[in-house]
Formats: sequence, C-alpha cells, structure tokens
Amino acid sequence: DAGVIQSPRHEVTEMGQEVTLRCKPISGHDYLFWYRQTMMRGLELLIYFNNNVPIDDSGMPEDRFSAKMPNASFSTLKIQPSEPRDSAVYFCASSFYWDSANYGYTFGSGTRLTVV
Amino acid sequence: SQELEQSPQSLIVQEGKNLTINCTSSKTLYGLYWYKQKYGEGLIFLMMLQKGGEEKSHEKITAKLDEKKQQSSLHITASQPSHAGIYLCGADIITDKLIFGTGTRLQVFP
Repeated sequence: DAGVIQSPRHEVTEMGQEVTLRCKPISGHDYLFWYRQTMMRGLELLIYFNNNVPIDDSGMPEDRFSAKMPNASFSTLKIQPSEPRDSAVYFCASSFYWDSANYGYTFGSGTRLTVV
Repeated sequence: SQELEQSPQSLIVQEGKNLTINCTSSKTLYGLYWYKQKYGEGLIFLMMLQKGGEEKSHEKITAKLDEKKQQSSLHITASQPSHAGIYLCGADIITDKLIFGTGTRLQVFP
C-alpha cells in the first residue's frame, strides 16, 4: 500500500480564497483523522470519522472549516474563506481499530498551507 | 493539548548519551502512542502501550507505561544523530479519539 496520500503537498493562497485539502486513507482502514500542526499550538485534532461518519468535530476551529468523507477512500478538508491564521501543516491519518496497537495510526506527509 | 504534558520541551545531548522523555496525563489512558517526526515530515509510529506496567522496545528506544496508566516515559540508549527529531506522545483519553502532547524536540550532536 502507498500509505496515506495527501494532496497538495504545498498550498499558497490569498486571504479570502477557498482551500480544499485532500486525503486518501489506507485501504481497509475504518478511522480517518484530520490534524493541524503549528509551532504555537502543536498537533491539534480537528475532526475524525469512523466508517465515513463524522464522530467528533469539536476541534474544528470555526464554521469556515468543513470536512467530508463521501466514501471509504477519500476525504476533504475545506476552508472557506481562508485567513492568514489558518497557515499550518495539515495532516491526515488513518487506522484500523483492531490493528492500532501494532501499527498505530498512519499519517500522511501533510499539506503545508500558507495564507497570505 | 493540555490533557497531555510532555517534558522536557527540548533536549540537546551529545552522541552516545542516554536520555528520557516523559508524557503525563491527569486522566487514565486507554492507549499511549509514541511517534517520531523529522523536521518538515509526517509522523512515524514507534510503539503503543496499553497495559499498566507495560514496557516495549524498538531498537535502542524503550517506552514504559506506569501502573496507573497516567504516565509514560521514552528512553533512548546511546543516542545517535539519527535519533534527532520531534518525539510526540499521543493518547486515547476517550476511546477512539487520539490527541497529542506538545512534543519534545531532540537534537543530538557529535
């Protein structure tokens, strides 16, 4: 398996524009997580899904953020409108519940978002 | 996350020295995960601890979970430059929801 695939790797956008981040989890994994990492706040959990259903979105900072998982092989995180304070590295991770003790949660390489 | 505290925040050691990183929670942990992150890259899974008193090793890295399942330590023996990076502890405070500590930045100099 190619692992968790995120796109794009880098995104530079102007304030006010819509940004869409994409994630393809590992096939067979039943959990998908979106995290945001900044120097100030560390690694924050934004939202996670179980079998494509959002379970907890309490970490989503504002209504400007939304996430979807239309099927088991694809998820998006959208920011509309984007602001400079959204600049961060966004990670997607997936796991299979019964394997997590041995293999943990597998992280993608992240998307570095810069909003100017 | 305030629910998981890591110490120290940063560590600079000479190659060959041993070191320990701590991760503490005020709540009982369902599972405690240790990850390593190289600068500008994703997180690499090291190991996961579930049972009180459990200890696991991976190459020169050993992690322990205390009996009360509220504290874990990561110990590196004879550190090498390849050990440099950010070490993060993550935990299931509430089942299924993995949150992370603030991380420990490790530098190893020759």
